[in-house]
Amino acid sequence: AQSVAQPEDQVNVAEGNPLTVKCTYSVSGNPYLFWYVQYPNRGLQFLLKYITGDNLVKGSYGFEAEFNKSQTSFHLKKPSALVSDSALYFCAVSSLDDKIIFGKGTRLHILP
Amino acid sequence: NAGVTQTPKFRVLKTGQSMTLLCAQDMNHEYMYWYRQDPGMGLRLIHYSVGEGTTAKGEVPDGYNVSRLKKQNFLLGLESAAPSQTSVYFCASSRDFRDNQPQHFGDGTRLSIL
Repeated sequence: AQSVAQPEDQVNVAEGNPLTVKCTYSVSGNPYLFWYVQYPNRGLQFLLKYITGDNLVKGSYGFEAEFNKSQTSFHLKKPSALVSDSALYFCAVSSLDDKIIFGKGTRLHILP
Repeated sequence: NAGVTQTPKFRVLKTGQSMTLLCAQDMNHEYMYWYRQDPGMGLRLIHYSVGEGTTAKGEVPDGYNVSRLKKQNFLLGLESAAPSQTSVYFCASSRDFRDNQPQHFGDGTRLSIL
């Protein structure tokens, strides 16, 4: 069975510093990986996805994620954090024969 | 485009009451989903639909029913509400989960069962 883990409930980063939000996964077959962001009182918004190809995926709002097959990870990164990046971030995984499942979410606080 | 629209946005029910949550999408998507979001639990799939007239159970289907009579609408029903169903409910749609298209989410329905 496939699974996805976000090991940190909360991440605090000073504005202007680089940020990383961690995600690891388990899936049989090739994984399809996603990051979504949720702002207060809103639904999830798609940020980026990895299907195949380049391990570094670029997405919306300056975010990128790095696929690491050997470590089964798909960490979300941004070189310089903004206060407006503060939100709840969800990693998600699916495979060819199965539905997408979501991690429990990581709350990102960017400190001014 | 409106995308995915959920109604109502808020509702308070008494235990045992019934209600229906409506989800409408204007993107001509085949797939639609209902999730519930609870603190520390992430998103859990309740039911989903792979096309008009079809429905299927997700991870936590008990206590809920769904219908997809029209392609653009996906209804979630609670026949006899229980306090454990207090949650934020999200509807989503996508072209196809097999071609890995992202899901588009509504802004949620906040439901409290007293």
